[in-house]
Amino acid sequence: QITLKESGPPLVKPTQTLTLTCTFSGFSLSTSGVGVGWIRQPPGKALEWFALIYWDDDKRYSPSLKSRLTITKDTSKNQVVLTMTNVDPVDTATYYCAHKYSSYFDYWGQGILVIVSS
Amino acid sequence: QSDLTQPRSVSASPGQSVTISCTGTSSDVGGYNFVSWYQQHPGKAPKFMIYDVSKRPSGVPDRFSGSKSGNTASLTISGLQAEDEADYYCCSYAGSYNNYVFGTGTKVTVL
Repeated sequence: QITLKESGPPLVKPTQTLTLTCTFSGFSLSTSGVGVGWIRQPPGKALEWFALIYWDDDKRYSPSLKSRLTITKDTSKNQVVLTMTNVDPVDTATYYCAHKYSSYFDYWGQGILVIVSS
Repeated sequence: QSDLTQPRSVSASPGQSVTISCTGTSSDVGGYNFVSWYQQHPGKAPKFMIYDVSKRPSGVPDRFSGSKSGNTASLTISGLQAEDEADYYCCSYAGSYNNYVFGTGTKVTVL
């Protein structure tokens, strides 16, 4: 059974760095073809994919956010860590991590609401 | 990279069918058979419903079907049920630069 759970601060101040952790079970991020992605959803708005890391440490970022993002994995801890620098109130959103296999995101975490406000 | 375009809302009575369109470009929807669909109930995480344009994961009712023509993908829900009332999002692979792009989302209302 695959499960994922996001953790991190619920409130960050503008210009600070946001660090989110995705802790998962039921799969290994060393298995060929597997990835973990991050998708966010501002309140009342659509989903937005923005980061992805694969089993072979290949990393992908949304071009619009790439300069502010770093994604890493710790296979031994079954964790993926995302950092986003210089946050702004427009980054307020529910952040989801999801298991990716082939071309789709088949298992999602429950999401974590992060508010950016002074 | 722009979001894929979906109608803001669609509605129908129980037992009827609805079709949700997802319009992109030749760089995403039209260029790859990697369109997936997700159902999201209020306050919940998205649920994976369709992959590779028209394939259903195990456990998804066969009332849900997907298709694609050119730059537009579609999700059809047949025999609409009350529990189908939710937001639906399409997603497409968009190449090695943009990677993945989601649709604008469609609210399905069961009248």
